[in-house]
Amino acid sequence: AQKVTQAQTEISVVEKEDVTLDCVYETRDTTYYLFWYKQPPSGELVFLIRRNSFDEQNEISGRYSWNFQKSTSSFNFTITASQVVDSAVYFCALSEVAGGSRLTFGEGTQLTVNP
Amino acid sequence: DAGITQSPRHKVTETGTPVTLRCHQTENHRYMYWYRQDPGHGLRLIHYSYGVKDTDKGEVSDGYSVSRSKTEDFLLTLESATSSQTSVYFCAISERQGAYTEAFFGQGTRLTVV
Repeated sequence: AQKVTQAQTEISVVEKEDVTLDCVYETRDTTYYLFWYKQPPSGELVFLIRRNSFDEQNEISGRYSWNFQKSTSSFNFTITASQVVDSAVYFCALSEVAGGSRLTFGEGTQLTVNP
Repeated sequence: DAGITQSPRHKVTETGTPVTLRCHQTENHRYMYWYRQDPGHGLRLIHYSYGVKDTDKGEVSDGYSVSRSKTEDFLLTLESATSSQTSVYFCAISERQGAYTEAFFGQGTRLTVV
């Protein structure tokens, strides 16, 4: 069965620091997709990124970057020069081909960025 | 923003009573999902639907039932609410059935069972 682990329950940083959120996954499928979602204090879930298992290129979007490494089954998320508005719970999730678009989520990491 | 509306947004109910949560979408997406969010567990899939009258169980379906009589509405029923069902419930929709398809989530319903 698939599993996603976010070992960091809470992270606290000071504004402008860089921070990396870890995500480790388990799956038997060779084709799968990984996602990151953000849940700000208002409670909604916001889609951030999707990667497929055949594309190990790192991706950068503004201050956000993602590092996908199949060799270590990791899909880590880095925020550069963090801002107070980045404070949120971040979820990593996995979907397998057999599961369609059903998602298996990690436990979430609460990120607090202090001014 | 995806047109997903969950109702009610907050509810307090007593143990043993039935409760129905509603998810309404205006996107005409075929696939709909109910997840629950609990500390230390992230979100877990309760039930999902792949079309009108077509539903299936997820990871934590015990004590829950669903119905989908129209494309736009997906109802989650707690047949006899228990304190362990105190949680935040999220509805999600996706346009296609595929592992690559991102799901869009509603605002959530906070349910407290006392």
